[in-house]
Amino acid sequence: AQTVTQSQPEMSVQEAETVTLSCTYDTSESDYYLFWYKQPPSRQMILVIRQEAYKQQNATENRFSVNFQKAAKSFSLKISDSQLGDAAMYFCAYRGPGGSQGNLIFGKGTKLSVKP
Amino acid sequence: DSGVTQTPKHLITATGQRVTLRCSPRSGDLSVYWYQQSLDQGLQFLIQYYNGEERAKGNILERFSAQQFPDLHSELNLSSLELGDSALYFCASSVRGGTRKETQYFGPGTRLLVL
Repeated sequence: AQTVTQSQPEMSVQEAETVTLSCTYDTSESDYYLFWYKQPPSRQMILVIRQEAYKQQNATENRFSVNFQKAAKSFSLKISDSQLGDAAMYFCAYRGPGGSQGNLIFGKGTKLSVKP
Repeated sequence: DSGVTQTPKHLITATGQRVTLRCSPRSGDLSVYWYQQSLDQGLQFLIQYYNGEERAKGNILERFSAQQFPDLHSELNLSSLELGDSALYFCASSVRGGTRKETQYFGPGTRLLVL
């Protein structure tokens, strides 16, 4: 069965600095998607970024980028120029090839604090 | 705003009771997923419906059931409630639900408290 592991329960970053959140996963599939979701105190789940496993190029969305290492099954999220509004829980998620594997499998999350 | 709506936002009930959570997917989305977020279990997939039919099942208890109606809204029914069922229940939707390229968009969740 696929698993997603986030080894950092909590992280802290100074405003305007850069922080990297770690995620590893386990799967026997070769084709899949990986996601980072943000959950602020409002509890809304907000998609931050997604990565297609068959694409070697790392995804970027403004200040958010990923370091996808397929062989190592690693998928880290880098937040540049951190802002106070980035404070939230961040969840790494895996999605299989589709069909009966279309649901998301989440890690336990990393709580990010941003210090002014 | 993701376009996915869930009602009610909050629900307080007693053990042994039955409740119904409702979800309306984004316009055009055929697939609905239900997830449970609790402190001890984290975010867990419960069940998926696609165009009215059950597509996949996750860690859903037998006391829980769901359905998707012809207008594509979905309901999650929780019965014989226990204290441990207290959680945040999310609904998510995607266009088809069968392809890896799709993104799931989450509703705001229903917070259930069982006393």
